[in-house]
Amino acid sequence: AQSVSQHNHHVILSEAASLELGCNYSYGGTVNLFWYVQYPGQHLQLLLKYFSGDPLVKGIKGFEAEFIKSKFSFNLRKPSVQWSDTAEYFCAVQIKAAGNKLTFGGGTRVLVKP
Amino acid sequence: GAVVSQHPSRVICKSGTSVKIECRSLDFQATTMFWYRQFPKQSLMLMATSNEGSKATYEQGVEKDKFLINHASLTLSTLTVTSAHPEDSSFYICSASRGTKSYEQYFGPGTRLTVT
Repeated sequence: AQSVSQHNHHVILSEAASLELGCNYSYGGTVNLFWYVQYPGQHLQLLLKYFSGDPLVKGIKGFEAEFIKSKFSFNLRKPSVQWSDTAEYFCAVQIKAAGNKLTFGGGTRVLVKP
Repeated sequence: GAVVSQHPSRVICKSGTSVKIECRSLDFQATTMFWYRQFPKQSLMLMATSNEGSKATYEQGVEKDKFLINHASLTLSTLTVTSAHPEDSSFYICSASRGTKSYEQYFGPGTRLTVT
């Protein structure tokens, strides 16, 4: 079965710092990749997704992610974070051949200090 | 568009009773709905996948007789936790997909279940 790993459980940084969250998955076939964000007390929201094409994907709120197939990675980045980016971030993977089930990574809690 | 609601947002029930959670797609038809469970400070674990009009497909380790899922229409799925116990206390989240070939899921706000 596929698995999704997020390397950092907690990240603390100051406003204007750059953010990079790692995500690796274990599956050799074709996948769709997602990053979701869960703000405190709110539901999951889609930040960005990769299905095919340009491996550098731009999402909402200034986030982007790069799919590196050879590394089975889909890292999330933001050049300059804001206090409002404090949230939990989840990477998720779909195996295209298995329908649209999502497998989530363990999540990374990001705290941005003002 | 693509709004998913859940009701109730919070529920407290006594051990041994059953509780039903509703998941609705408000502005689209959801051929497929998913139910997840999220433990405190942990990730989402898929419990089951339901397609409208057919039986749900449960993930390994999820008791189908305990977590009854019904997806009777294209806009409504229900999860019934039967004979609830304190260990069933959790955050239950549903998501909906426009179709079996649509890969994006839209998430509901979740339901906090506390079993006393």
